[in-house]
Amino acid sequence: DQQVKQNSPSLSVQEGRISILNCDYTNSMFDYFLWYKKYPAEGPTFLISISSIKDKNEDGRFTVFLNKSAKHLSLHIVPSQPGDSAVYFCAATFRNSGNTPLVFGKGTRLSVIA
Amino acid sequence: DGGITQSPKYLFRKEGQNVTLSCEQNLNHDAMYWYRQDPGQGLRLIYYSQIVNDFQKGDIAEGYSVSREKKESFPLTVTSAQKNPTAFYLCASSIRGTGSADTQYFGPGTRLTVL
Repeated sequence: DQQVKQNSPSLSVQEGRISILNCDYTNSMFDYFLWYKKYPAEGPTFLISISSIKDKNEDGRFTVFLNKSAKHLSLHIVPSQPGDSAVYFCAATFRNSGNTPLVFGKGTRLSVIA
Repeated sequence: DGGITQSPKYLFRKEGQNVTLSCEQNLNHDAMYWYRQDPGQGLRLIYYSQIVNDFQKGDIAEGYSVSREKKESFPLTVTSAQKNPTAFYLCASSIRGTGSADTQYFGPGTRLTVL
């Protein structure tokens, strides 16, 4: 049973436009969420995170939005650049309630077209 | 430079042989993790360790073994019991154990191919 779902396996966006990557989760106990970016044959790199006490966190071109009632989060990249082309993983965990490691979605492949 | 190293980058083994993947970190992180990535499957947790001399099974531990004798090292052995060992293996570490939800940092990965 997948607790973290990224329902879009791929996404194509024009350079300069906004990229929106979506993630849904089923476990309402998750209280900390992260996004990772991964290039082929490399390890994922941490991008941005958000705690469940917030609904938005921004870092440069990257903004993560959290809608707890819908159990949904999204990553916005504005403006999108060709170097953003990669696989993006959403992950979730419990901050203070147990020893659960990060639970990852299956990823969304973003292609930014010049 | 601080970071996580995995060696080798590419590894080939014959079916039926055990193989050990190396993971070293000099970040002084307490917790270390092993994941496996297959196409379309995302990252699946194999084993994790929150402190030295202690480790727990993840979601897909069957056919794998680990040790954590030193804080900076967390080697993964892929045994002959693992039915589909060909995959991309990723090691990660975080400052503390999973309960504190610290960000995990990943190594570059090892591509294992079993012939």
